[in-house]
Amino acid sequence: GQNIDQPTEMTATEGAIVQINCTYQTSGFNGLFWYQQHAGEAPTFLSYNVLDGLEEKGRFSSFLSRSKGYSYLLLKELQMKDSASYLCAVDGDYKLSFGAGTTVTVRA
Amino acid sequence: IAGITQAPTSQILAAGRRMTLRCTQDMRHNAMYWYRQDLGLGLRLIHYSNTAGTTGKGEVPDGYSVSRANTDDFPLTLASAVPSQTSVYFCASSATSGAYNEQFFGPGTRLTVL
Repeated sequence: GQNIDQPTEMTATEGAIVQINCTYQTSGFNGLFWYQQHAGEAPTFLSYNVLDGLEEKGRFSSFLSRSKGYSYLLLKELQMKDSASYLCAVDGDYKLSFGAGTTVTVRA
Repeated sequence: IAGITQAPTSQILAAGRRMTLRCTQDMRHNAMYWYRQDLGLGLRLIHYSNTAGTTGKGEVPDGYSVSRANTDDFPLTLASAVPSQTSVYFCASSATSGAYNEQFFGPGTRLTVL
């Protein structure tokens, strides 16, 4: 089976940094994805990690430790438009298993 | 059409009725997926298709069926709807069913079964 855990909610101030953690226990591992989902909309791709380490894409970075079953998504210089749910998804058997998502609220 | 489209956008359905949710992609992706999203549970895979002509069961397949007659279309059918099938349904596709299978999602169908 697949078990993917992430916090339910986080709140941060505009301009700040927020780190969303994701821990997973899966029967296999082919990679880890982060998706962003605004309320009432479809999820959209943010990042992909398959090797240990940090992947940076502008204001967003994603880290993976396969030995620890751990990833985080780092959002820097937060903007109001970053208020959304962030979904951690693990490719365990060439199909994605999703965490329940972390709702991030950015306050002015 | 650009990307993935789903129809209808929303639907209210009486319990016991049959319903087909439509999904069409124009990216020539091999793999397609159906998920349901419920508050607090995240996205759960219902059925998938790695290529036209093949389908497989996901985590929560009971009460649902799919077909994949061609590359572009992947309809999801509820044979006899029940209230527990009230959810938001997302269709997705990916270029391959192997590693690095980044999935692209449709806009979703909000289904209410009364």
